[in-house]
Amino acid sequence: NAGVMQNPRHLVRRRGQEARLRCSPMKGHSHVYWYRQLPEEGLKFMVYLQKENIIDESGMPKERFSAEFPKEGPSILRIQQVVRGDSAAYFCASSPGTVFYEQYFGPGTRLTVT
Amino acid sequence: SQQGEEDPQALSIQEGENATMNCSYKTSINNLQWYRQNSGRGLVHLILIRSNEREKHSGRLRVTLDTSKKSSSLLITASRAADTASYFCATLTGANNLFFGTGTRLTVIP
Repeated sequence: NAGVMQNPRHLVRRRGQEARLRCSPMKGHSHVYWYRQLPEEGLKFMVYLQKENIIDESGMPKERFSAEFPKEGPSILRIQQVVRGDSAAYFCASSPGTVFYEQYFGPGTRLTVT
Repeated sequence: SQQGEEDPQALSIQEGENATMNCSYKTSINNLQWYRQNSGRGLVHLILIRSNEREKHSGRLRVTLDTSKKSSSLLITASRAADTASYFCATLTGANNLFFGTGTRLTVIP
């Protein structure tokens, strides 16, 4: 059973471009979470999705950031008009359920904005 | 903020010694989880302890939870060089998302 897959692993964008980060959850997992980690800091929750639904986006910046988890295909975290402050590692996690289930993390996508 | 706080921020020990890391949090929780992160890598889940549990073991790991003090500790016994990593506690509230602490950076010297 493959783990959580994220791609790309590294992404370099110039200021103003768009960044698309993909996450394929573990087989059988229908709950996906996105986290952001700034250098030397812990992870910060961004958004929690189930198939075709955003359940909790309380950690998402109000502008430029969006996330989706379509019926088919991976979950996508989209950052429009990237700025230098968006440079971070973005981790996706999945779980088979909520609350009492552990979350399995992907290897992360390191976004660098130049 | 619900974010946990780990203590110490960094810890350096000799191989074979025990390492203890502490985590404090602010709100009531459903469970508390400990993760390990090797440099530049993703997180690896270590252990989950529910709010009605006080202690849990997994191999060389021992986790305690004191909900009255809103604190948890992670003990790694007989440490190895391969244990060198950052360790994070994360609390799960009813909101279904994890709040991570700032981490303890553990270095085990061979």
